[in-house]
This record gives sequence, C-alpha cells and structure tokens, in this order.
Amino acid sequence: AQKITQTQPGMFVQEKEAVTLDCTYDTSDQSYGLFWYKQPSSGEMIFLIYQGSYDEQNATEGRYSLNFQKARKSANLVISASQLGDSAMYFCAMREGRSGGSNYKLTFGKGTLLTVNP
Amino acid sequence: GAGVSQSPSNKVTEKGKDVELRCDPISGHTALYWYRQSLGQGLEFLIYFQGNSAPDKSGLPSDRFSAERTGGSVSTLTIQRTQQEDSAVYLCASSHRGINYGYTFGSGTRLTVV
Repeated sequence: AQKITQTQPGMFVQEKEAVTLDCTYDTSDQSYGLFWYKQPSSGEMIFLIYQGSYDEQNATEGRYSLNFQKARKSANLVISASQLGDSAMYFCAMREGRSGGSNYKLTFGKGTLLTVNP
Repeated sequence: GAGVSQSPSNKVTEKGKDVELRCDPISGHTALYWYRQSLGQGLEFLIYFQGNSAPDKSGLPSDRFSAERTGGSVSTLTIQRTQQEDSAVYLCASSHRGINYGYTFGSGTRLTVV
C-alpha cells in the first residue's frame, strides 16, 4: 500500500488565488513527521513546511499552511495568494518514528504539478 | 559547507561504463540519503547512512549499485556497467537524525546513459 498518496497529478490556479494540494498518508506509528517540498523546473528540492504528529496546531510558514487532520490521515498544503513563481512540482513526504531504531527515511508521494496562471 | 554539494552536476556516459557520483553533506548532519528521480517521477529511495551504523541498502535496484560513506562525511554512489534505464537525476540529502528533521537536498547529478 502507498504510504503517501497525492491524488492530483496536476492542478491549475489563477494568480492571487488560494490552492489546496491534497496528501493522505498511511502509518501505524504514533510519532511521525509530515513534510512538503517544492521542486521547480530547475530541479532543486526546497523544504516548505513541517508538521509533527503531536502538534496540535496546524503549521504555517508565510503563505504556506498545512491543514492537518490526524483522524483522516491527511496533510493538505494550502498556498494562499498564489504567485507565478509557485508553479512547480510539490511533494508530500512522511518520516516515521519507530522504537528500537529506524532509518527515519522520508517516503515521498508522486507529486502534484501546480501551474499558476496569470 | 553551507549546503549539500553534489558532483558532477551532469554526467553523460556510454552504456556499460562505470560511474561515480559524489555527495558532500552538511557538516554535522549524521544521516545521508541517496534518492533517484526518473523524468517526471517521484523520488525513489536508494540507500541510507547513519553515523557508524550499517547502511540501509534496501532501495538499491541491483547489485550494480553500491555506495560508501567515508569518515562519516562524503559519500560516493557507484553504478557499474551502466544501463540506459539508469538515466535519472540522483539526489543526495543529509539531515539530523529524528522524525522532526527534514532533509536538505543537493542539486543533484543528472546521469544520461547513451
């Protein structure tokens, strides 16, 4: 089973509007971290935002916020006031914590390609 | 250095040749990861190093792939007898250990096997 599911291969948004990128995850761990990365056409991976499983408040970083619904196992990224420079691939990822040691590797979804239209 | 450094940034090689890709992580980061990203695809985990522990090689696609990390710092990913399906961007990342730490990625090595 997929650990990270991003159901939107592509999304379009008008400049200055808000957009939500969906992400659901699957884990049996109680302790885990959720991350969003942006990958523009240049190829670099840029960290955007982090949410810990025990965090009670949704994470926010500037125009980015993470809509964390633990019971539904969803961690959607909300980008407010979209800009042309937001056009990129967006990846949701999870890092699980396990007792007895773990490699804590990030597991990535397949990504959503966001296009911001002027 | 300030970031994760990968070299070369681009590599074109002939099928059947061996290649070495280098990654220099952020100083103080104990964890180092290699991922592969084929054109338009997500990130595929290859191998993980954590301190002096045995590496997690569970993602290596075949025995043609190997990696080492010397002195807990620089890592080299080696692909022997390259095949066309090895063409991809190879991304290295480093981090502190723990679930609340994300990765810092290098800019990648674009490998093209002709």
